[in-house]
Order: sequence, then C-alpha cells, then structure tokens
Amino acid sequence: AQSVAQPEDQVNVAEGNPLTVKCTYSVSGNPYLFWYVQYPNRGLQFLLKYITGDNLVKGSYGFEAEFNKSQTSFHLKKPSALVSDSALYFCAVKNDYKLSFGAGTTVTVRA
Amino acid sequence: SAVISQKPSRDICQRGTSLTIQCQVDSQVTMMFWYRQQPGQSLTLIATANQGSEATYESGFVIDKFPISRPNLTFSTLTVSNMSPEDSSIYLCSVEDRHGYEQYFGPGTRLTVT
Repeated sequence: AQSVAQPEDQVNVAEGNPLTVKCTYSVSGNPYLFWYVQYPNRGLQFLLKYITGDNLVKGSYGFEAEFNKSQTSFHLKKPSALVSDSALYFCAVKNDYKLSFGAGTTVTVRA
Repeated sequence: SAVISQKPSRDICQRGTSLTIQCQVDSQVTMMFWYRQQPGQSLTLIATANQGSEATYESGFVIDKFPISRPNLTFSTLTVSNMSPEDSSIYLCSVEDRHGYEQYFGPGTRLTVT
C-alpha cells in the first residue's frame, strides 16, 4: 500500500525566510510524487511533480522539491517565503492511477 | 492543463435529501475522479469514473450512497444520497492529464447538511 506522511500540521515562517514543508512516502516500486496547494475557498492547485530524472524539481510560484530516495522524502522548499504563500499544502503519491494524499500542512507566513 | 468547473459551488441541504454535483471539463478525458474532503481533513478518493463503464468505488464508499454517471468524455455527476450531517464536506472532481501523470482539480462543491 502507498502512503505519504506530513509530520507537521503547521509551519510558521517570517516573510523572506526559507520555507520547508516536509513529506515522507512509502510505496512499492518507483514513486510518482506531487505537491498541491489549496488556498482558502479554492480548489487544489498543482505545484510540482517528481516522476523520474533530476532529484531537484522546480515548480510553480518559485517552489521546488527535492526527491531523496534513501530517506524516502520529498520536501517542498521555497528560498524566500511570501505572505501570499500562506495556504494548505498537500503531498501526494501516485500508484497506478490513484493519488493518495498526506494530511496536509498549514503554512502561515507572517509579514 | 484542463479547466474544470463544478456546479453547484456550495449548497446547504436537509438530511435525508440528495444532491447531484456536476463536473464539466473543457477537453475530453478518459478518467475522472471524485474526492471528498471532510472539514479539516485531507482528500479521500471516492471513485473513479470511466466513460461507458461502471464507476469503481474505493473501500468505504458504495454506489447506493454515491451514484456516479459518466455519459461522455467531458462530463460526470456525483450524487450524494440520503444525506446526513456526516456528509458535510467539499466534493472535488479531478481529471488526469493526457500523459497520465498530473491530476487537475475542480474548484469543489462545499456541501453542508443540516
């Protein structure tokens, strides 16, 4: 069975500081990994994905994620956070056609 | 990426009634997915709907409670039947891109059952 874990319910950072949202996964075979963001009263927006290739994946809005096979992690990062990055972030893993989501991490960026 | 719309965007319903949620995609897609996001929770896959075949339901979800239609390659409906307050959730429609990697989500339908 596939699963993802987001160990932090909340992450709080000051604007301009680096932002990291953690994700670890468990899957048989090669993982397809994703990050989505959900702003209040809006649907999920795709941020980035790892399918194969370079371990550092760049996505939308200046976000990037690093795939680490030995640590089974796929942490989301942004070098300099913005107040507008405050949202709910979901990590997800895909097996066959099914997406399994983590519990989500609420990010708050204070001005 | 696909553009997905859902109707209604929100509704307040009485227990015991049913609500049908519509999902429209701006391009033809093979697979459509329905998810539920309960308050403060993550997303859970309800079922997968392919055009021309019966929907495939995940464990814990049954057709009698969540009947799904998929009449063509751009449209699907999810009905929440005999609703109870526990059905209060956001229901999201999703489709896969043509490469089968990314999934795109509709804006969701926020359902409140009183």
